[in-house]
Amino acid sequence: LAKTTQPISMDSYEGQEVNITCSHNNIATNDYITWYQQFPSQGPRFIIQGYKTKVTNEVASLFIPADRKSSTLSLPRVSLSDTAVYYCLVGDGDTGRRALTFGSGTRLQVQP
Amino acid sequence: NAGVMQNPRHLVRRRGQEARLRCSPMKGHSHVYWYRQLPEEGLKFMVYLQKENIIDESGMPKERFSAEFPKEGPSILRIQQVVRGDSAAYFCASSPPRGYGYTFGSGTRLTVV
Repeated sequence: LAKTTQPISMDSYEGQEVNITCSHNNIATNDYITWYQQFPSQGPRFIIQGYKTKVTNEVASLFIPADRKSSTLSLPRVSLSDTAVYYCLVGDGDTGRRALTFGSGTRLQVQP
Repeated sequence: NAGVMQNPRHLVRRRGQEARLRCSPMKGHSHVYWYRQLPEEGLKFMVYLQKENIIDESGMPKERFSAEFPKEGPSILRIQQVVRGDSAAYFCASSPPRGYGYTFGSGTRLTVV
């Protein structure tokens, strides 16, 4: 499974756009990129998944350059409730080994 | 459609006792996964089960830990003779037979005193 590297922490203010970048230099051809959000005392929650270019849903956007060696999670106009840990994962969930590999994540703190 | 249900939410055990953690997957999900999370760390995979079968237990400690997913009833993660180092949050997730669809429960926080 490809190893991921992301910043340990980020700070932002309400209303700002937040971009969290994840490096995954050893991503394999059949790997997808998935982001999870985790609030204190809760399990991770799926945010978005993509393979290439750009994916957008009601929560976030995911930008993936052509070489796929990195990806950027974009959260538009964050609020206090977006304070959480964000995990970038790389892998193919439909293979024989379906376990997810979590790194340490990025701890986002949103200030008023 | 209830999500992944874990119980208890909090569990306190004395050193040497047994801990049993339960997980009921989402309706239609036949794959269950257990993860452990220490404070300030990411989740670490422990075991992946399908009904009545352990598919991958590469992350499970060799001693004192066991998991099952019987034909009827919830999946059980069992920790025998708990030690202080077992204190952690244990998360269960489930997924359907095909596709991604990973859903996590709210976890069980085990405290060993």
